[in-house]
Amino acid sequence: AQKITQTQPGMFVQEKEAVTLDCTYDTSDPSYGLFWYKQPSSGEMIFLIYQGSYDQQNATEGRYSLNFQKARKSANLVISASQLGDSAMYFCAMREGIGNTPLVFGKGTRLSVIA
Amino acid sequence: GAGVSQSPRYKVAKRGQDVALRCDPISGHVSLFWYQQALGQGPEFLTYFQNEAQLDKSGLPSDRFFAERPEGSVSTLKIQRTQQEDSAVYLCASSGDRGLHGYTFGSGTRLTVV
Repeated sequence: AQKITQTQPGMFVQEKEAVTLDCTYDTSDPSYGLFWYKQPSSGEMIFLIYQGSYDQQNATEGRYSLNFQKARKSANLVISASQLGDSAMYFCAMREGIGNTPLVFGKGTRLSVIA
Repeated sequence: GAGVSQSPRYKVAKRGQDVALRCDPISGHVSLFWYQQALGQGPEFLTYFQNEAQLDKSGLPSDRFFAERPEGSVSTLKIQRTQQEDSAVYLCASSGDRGLHGYTFGSGTRLTVV
């Protein structure tokens, strides 16, 4: 079974609008961390936001927020006020357990921002 | 260094050739991870190290793939007798002691096997 599922291969959003990228996860470990990364066409993997399994509040970082619904095992990324520079691949990833264990990635969503 | 450095940035290898990909992690980072990313896909885990110890190599696709980190800093991923299906971007990431938020990725090595 897939540990990280991103069901949207591609998304379009109008500039200045908000967009939600979906991510569901599967784990039986009570301790885990959820990450979102942005990968522009240049290839580097840019960290956006992190949510720990015990965090009570949804994580926010500037225009990025994470809609964490633990019971549904979902960790959707919300980008507000989209900009042309947001066009990229976006990956959801999970770390199981505590400490430096490997990340497991989803297949990604390609976001295109339209002027 | 300031970031994770990978070299070479691009590598073209003839089928059957051996290649070595280098990763220089952030100074002091304990953990180092290797991933393989095929075109249009998410990164797939290959192997990882904590200091010089290779803790998990379950993601290595075959015994042609070998990774080492002999002094707990720089790591090398070696692929012997390359095949066309090895063509991918190879990403390296490092993480500090607690791994909080912090997996810093290199820019990757794009390997093309012809």
